[in-house]
Amino acid sequence: DAGVTQSPTHLIKTRGQQVTLRCSPKSGHDTVSWYQQALGQGPQFIFQYYEEEERQRGNFPDRFSGHQFPNYSSELNVNALLLGDSALYLCASSKGVGYTFGSGTRLTVV
Amino acid sequence: GENVEQHPSTLSVQEGDSAVIKCTYSDSASNYFPWYKQELGKRPQLIIDIRSNVGEKKDQRIAVTLNKTAKHFSLHITETQPEDSAVYFCAVTPDSWGKLQFGAGTQVVVTP
Repeated sequence: DAGVTQSPTHLIKTRGQQVTLRCSPKSGHDTVSWYQQALGQGPQFIFQYYEEEERQRGNFPDRFSGHQFPNYSSELNVNALLLGDSALYLCASSKGVGYTFGSGTRLTVV
Repeated sequence: GENVEQHPSTLSVQEGDSAVIKCTYSDSASNYFPWYKQELGKRPQLIIDIRSNVGEKKDQRIAVTLNKTAKHFSLHITETQPEDSAVYFCAVTPDSWGKLQFGAGTQVVVTP
């Protein structure tokens, strides 16, 4: 039973560029949440997708957007990258109680 | 919004001793309290969780206690082992499906 898979694992982008991160949820899970984890900090909630709709959103600017597909997989898009967007981006899937996290995508903005 | 404070930020213990990490929260509507363990370069892994209608839960060497009146909950690790070394995060949410508000994390170092 595959867990949550994220791609790519590492990514280097230049300021001003756009990036797309991908997440496949654990089998049987229908909800996908995205978190940003800066070095030495706890994960910060970006948004959650359920039934292909954004259900909840954290305090992140509109540069951060997402999508959920009919197969429950999800994408996180970040436009106009800033140096401060450098972080580990975690995807977490769930169905009801409890989350399973993926290993994350390490984004470095230079 | 919800505010979660986690203490201590670092914790060094001798192998075999106990470790205790405490979190306080502000939103009285919070009713689900998971704890995650994150090893260096790896994903957060759920180690134990508790709901607001339960005061204590135990799983082998790990236990969580919840005091809803005082709005704090704690992680207890007994008989610590070197493999317990990691960063531990508490989290809260008003609904088990909703966004998790994480604490800042506790770096636990278990020395042989």
